[in-house]
Amino acid sequence: AQSVAQPEDQVNVAEGNPLTVKCTYSVSGNPYLFWYVQYPNRGLQFLLKYITGDNLVKGSYGFEAEFNKSQTSFHLKKPSALVSDSALYFCAVRDMGPSGAGSYQLTFGKGTKLSVIP
Amino acid sequence: AAGVIQSPRHLIKEKRETATLKCYPIPRHDTVYWYQQGPGQDPQFLISFYEKMQSDKGSIPDRFSAQQFSDYHSELNMSSLELGDSALYFCASRQRQGANTGELFFGEGSRLTVL
Repeated sequence: AQSVAQPEDQVNVAEGNPLTVKCTYSVSGNPYLFWYVQYPNRGLQFLLKYITGDNLVKGSYGFEAEFNKSQTSFHLKKPSALVSDSALYFCAVRDMGPSGAGSYQLTFGKGTKLSVIP
Repeated sequence: AAGVIQSPRHLIKEKRETATLKCYPIPRHDTVYWYQQGPGQDPQFLISFYEKMQSDKGSIPDRFSAQQFSDYHSELNMSSLELGDSALYFCASRQRQGANTGELFFGEGSRLTVL
């Protein structure tokens, strides 16, 4: 079974400082990894994904994430935080399984609330 | 660009009533997913459909049913509503055929409140 852990319920960072939101995963095969952002009472917006290739992936709004297979991590980062980045961030995984087929459903982490302080 | 459309956006029902949520996927998307997000919780997968057939099943209660129609829109039917069914229900869509890049595109959600 696939699972995702986001160890921090909340992350506070000052505006202009770099931010990191942590995510670790567990799958039986090869993972597809995603980050989504959710603003209050809104849907989930796709930020970025790792499928294969370069371990550092770049996404929307200046966010990037680094895939680390040995640590089974996929931490979300941004060099300089904005107040408008304050939202709930979800890491998600899709387990491709050993054959590369796998299930098409995503499993989400519990979410991390990011607060960027002016 | 067209997005996933969900209706209604807000719904208030009494216990033991029924409710129906609708989802219109992005054009040319053939796969629909339903997720339930309780207050302060992560989204939980309920059920998915591909080409009008159920493709995967998650933690969907027996009181709930869903289907996908020939125009690819989907409906989630909920009966004998309980207070614990109060949640934000998301629909997401994806195009399985062709480039399979994996991400789901989510709608804005339907907020169900059961009183």
